[in-house]
Amino acid sequence: DSGVTQTPKHLITATGQRVTLRCSPRSGDLSVYWYQQSLDQGLQFLIQYYNGEERAKGNILERFSAQQFPDLHSELNLSSLELGDSALYFCASSVWSGNTGELFFGEGSRLTVL
Amino acid sequence: DQQVKQNSPSLSVQEGRISILNCDYTNSMFDYFLWYKKYPAEGPTFLISISSIKDKNEDGRFTVFLNKSAKHLSLHIVPSQPGDSAVYFCAAIGTTDKLIFGTGTRLQVFP
Repeated sequence: DSGVTQTPKHLITATGQRVTLRCSPRSGDLSVYWYQQSLDQGLQFLIQYYNGEERAKGNILERFSAQQFPDLHSELNLSSLELGDSALYFCASSVWSGNTGELFFGEGSRLTVL
Repeated sequence: DQQVKQNSPSLSVQEGRISILNCDYTNSMFDYFLWYKKYPAEGPTFLISISSIKDKNEDGRFTVFLNKSAKHLSLHIVPSQPGDSAVYFCAAIGTTDKLIFGTGTRLQVFP
């Protein structure tokens, strides 16, 4: 158990819809990261927050947005969903903003868009 | 632009023998290189890392080698055990704080 909690574990929805994925980081961790893993793909970095502020941005689509709340949990919002958005979405956390790359990952949220 | 590449999608090794997983990168500004291990239905877990100023780091059965001139790193597992069967991701991080992952190599250790 990494201490990072993601909900929901599974989500099935239709094209055009909007979903919200939630992440609670490990106790004491200030940084939250979001990654997308599509079929046969590596983990694609989407976005990082540190203590409520956006810290780094990857290849995140404009239809996607995220935020980190004062209690440090984070939400990833995916809107106008397309079939290609079907993927595993991982949240990870770490103590620091700049780090040596050791992140603690949740079990992921599997999104299926039909 | 795939900055971290794992060209072997799968590897099969007999129990007790050495497993060697390879990774290439293109960005010379990376400071740290890491290996993560992932079992089905679980998130990736950190395995071992190496700083760009070193060429080897060892932790028990796991050793990571870094060849900066070739922009290549490898993970050696000796001896391999059936419980090592998983997907292994190579990753790298630099001053941008973005941890960039490769596409993974599925290792199967058979008896």
